[in-house]
Amino acid sequence: EVQLVESGGGLVQPGGSLRLSCAASGFTVSSNYMSWVRQAPGKGLEWVSVIYSGGSTYYADSVKGRFTLSRDNSKNTLFLQMNSLRAEDTALYYCARHLMISSSWFFLFDYWGQGTLVTVSS
Amino acid sequence: EIVLTQSPGTLSLSPGERATLSCRASQSVGSSSLAWYQQKPGQAPRLLIYGASSRATGIPDRFSGSGSGTDFTLTISRLEPEDFAVYYCQQYGSSRTFGQGTKVEIK
Repeated sequence: EVQLVESGGGLVQPGGSLRLSCAASGFTVSSNYMSWVRQAPGKGLEWVSVIYSGGSTYYADSVKGRFTLSRDNSKNTLFLQMNSLRAEDTALYYCARHLMISSSWFFLFDYWGQGTLVTVSS
Repeated sequence: EIVLTQSPGTLSLSPGERATLSCRASQSVGSSSLAWYQQKPGQAPRLLIYGASSRATGIPDRFSGSGSGTDFTLTISRLEPEDFAVYYCQQYGSSRTFGQGTKVEIK
């Protein structure tokens, strides 16, 4: 069974840092495309970052230069290092697996974790 | 960036009724690269439809998607109690953006 479990969220002051984790089971993270998607309280969904199976990473303009996505293949886990946090980064952060059909990857998500809440406030 | 506008913002219906949700794109979505998700309170989004009209694994056939270009529709043929939720569209043809959501509530 595919499962994604996020952790690492919490309350942090503006300018601070947090490191989110997403532990996967039931599949191999390094063989998949994986993204982080966030949702501000009461708001819609915003894609944040992706890591491709080959290891390339890409970021939304809103977080570029501040967030870094990585993975630990031995732990089958994703990490999102978030630096220089701002109030507008306050959100529930989901990790999600991309949909693959007939060996083609698509930029949409078939499995999601339950999310970890990041609150940036003084 | 393609902007997706969903309407209506809220749809008030009774169980058994038909729900029709709209998602309009600011420019054409290539290859019908449009998906729909359902989100219930306190839960993660669930993929319903991809490629504008293909149901994801395990999705009941009362959910159907249609449309192309800039206009897309999600139809729920007969609302079940568990279908009352927020629905988001997402385009994945050019960059990736989400609509702001349509809430389907019990009338």
